Amino acid sequence: GEDVEQSLFLSVREGDSSVINCTYTDSSSTYLYWYKQEPGAGLQLLTYIFSNMDMKQDQRLTVLLNKKDKHLSLRIADTQTGDSAIYFCAEDRATDSWGKLQFGAGTQVVVTP
Amino acid sequence: GAVVSQHPSRVICKSGTSVKIECRSLDFQATTMFWYRQFPKQSLMLMATSNEGSKATYEQGVEKDKFLINHASLTLSTLTVTSAHPEDSSFYICSASIQGGFSEAFFGQGTRLTVV
Repeated sequence: GEDVEQSLFLSVREGDSSVINCTYTDSSSTYLYWYKQEPGAGLQLLTYIFSNMDMKQDQRLTVLLNKKDKHLSLRIADTQTGDSAIYFCAEDRATDSWGKLQFGAGTQVVVTP
Repeated sequence: GAVVSQHPSRVICKSGTSVKIECRSLDFQATTMFWYRQFPKQSLMLMATSNEGSKATYEQGVEKDKFLINHASLTLSTLTVTSAHPEDSSFYICSASIQGGFSEAFFGQGTRLTVV
């Protein structure tokens, strides 16, 4: 199937902003998601954006979508040590079922004091 | 928000035995459930889609006789790993959604399977 790509690692200082990038290749994607996974745990939904939107903000999180370039980003403001985790972007193409997601490889975010 | 409970969270089994993992939607009816597999430090790979009352649809490369999926009710789907081998050791995660309109997928907490 089509690939979702992410950079694998990001190191950021506590208090700075983190920006995690993702590219996807299927222009028919309808919803795009960001999930957080801490070690040994399941997935925590952070936010999602509908493909006809350019931006969505939710407290410290800002999602930007450039549909022309098929580029999605997640900005975390005032990054805290508790934000250290792996972040996955995912797309829902809704080809036959809602909720059938194609995931990127995940970006490991390490927050240093 | 909607809650999906997965059980057990960890299981160790002997090679050659079968193990069943349950995925329950606690406060909603899930018409569709998905099973994913995650290898260490890798992404989630979709294994199969199960719709209540019908046969599961498996992704290419996933052995349906190895990974038996049953979705007998709107709140429960089970994944049985049959004749498990060490290479089946992995993190298995389910998710559930409601069809009939947009629905986000709600994920369980995952099951760590170790086959010894």
